[in-house]
Amino acid sequence: EDQVTQSPEALRLQEGESSSLNCSYTVSGLRGLFWYRQDPGKGPEFLFTLYSAGEEKEKERLKATLTKKESFLHITAPKPEDSATYLCAVQGNQAGTALIFGKGTTLSVSS
Amino acid sequence: DTAVSQTPKYLVTQMGNDKSIKCEQNLGHDTMYWYKQDSKKFLKIMFSYNNKELIINETVPNRFSPKSPDKAHLNLHINSLELGDSAVYFCASSQDPSAPLHFGNGTRLTVT
Repeated sequence: EDQVTQSPEALRLQEGESSSLNCSYTVSGLRGLFWYRQDPGKGPEFLFTLYSAGEEKEKERLKATLTKKESFLHITAPKPEDSATYLCAVQGNQAGTALIFGKGTTLSVSS
Repeated sequence: DTAVSQTPKYLVTQMGNDKSIKCEQNLGHDTMYWYKQDSKKFLKIMFSYNNKELIINETVPNRFSPKSPDKAHLNLHINSLELGDSAVYFCASSQDPSAPLHFGNGTRLTVT
């Protein structure tokens, strides 16, 4: 069964204090790994898709990396506006499979 | 312009009632979804339609019935509501079944 585990559940950082969020996954053939950001009262917002081990994607202060078993979302010099819940999801390569989400990491950045 | 819009945003109703949630996307996408987010913020797929055809139907009670009148709309009808149905329901769309999802802002359903 496809599964996604995210850690930590919650992370508090000071502004400028870099850190990483972890997403461990098991899937029978990976089609893609997705990162989303969710603000309170809003729907998840797409950030990145990673398809193969070794791939990296960057957007502003965020950088996502992928290995065969896990993905990391690195946050460099975070700002308070980076506070949100970050969701990881995987999609297997069998036909008719949807995204399987992890429970997310809630990031709080204080100034 | 909102890309994926859901109505209503909040829905409070009593056990046993029947209710519907509507979803529309103006992105021209072929695939639409319903996800349920429980109190622990866990997002779980319920249904997916591709070109108006049901392609994913997870283990969901028969009381839940999706309807797709056209590619831009996917509605969710729920019969005989139960307390455990309380959650936030998200509609989403994507260009195809393997593309990134674009989510609406959710409908918070509270069953009393």
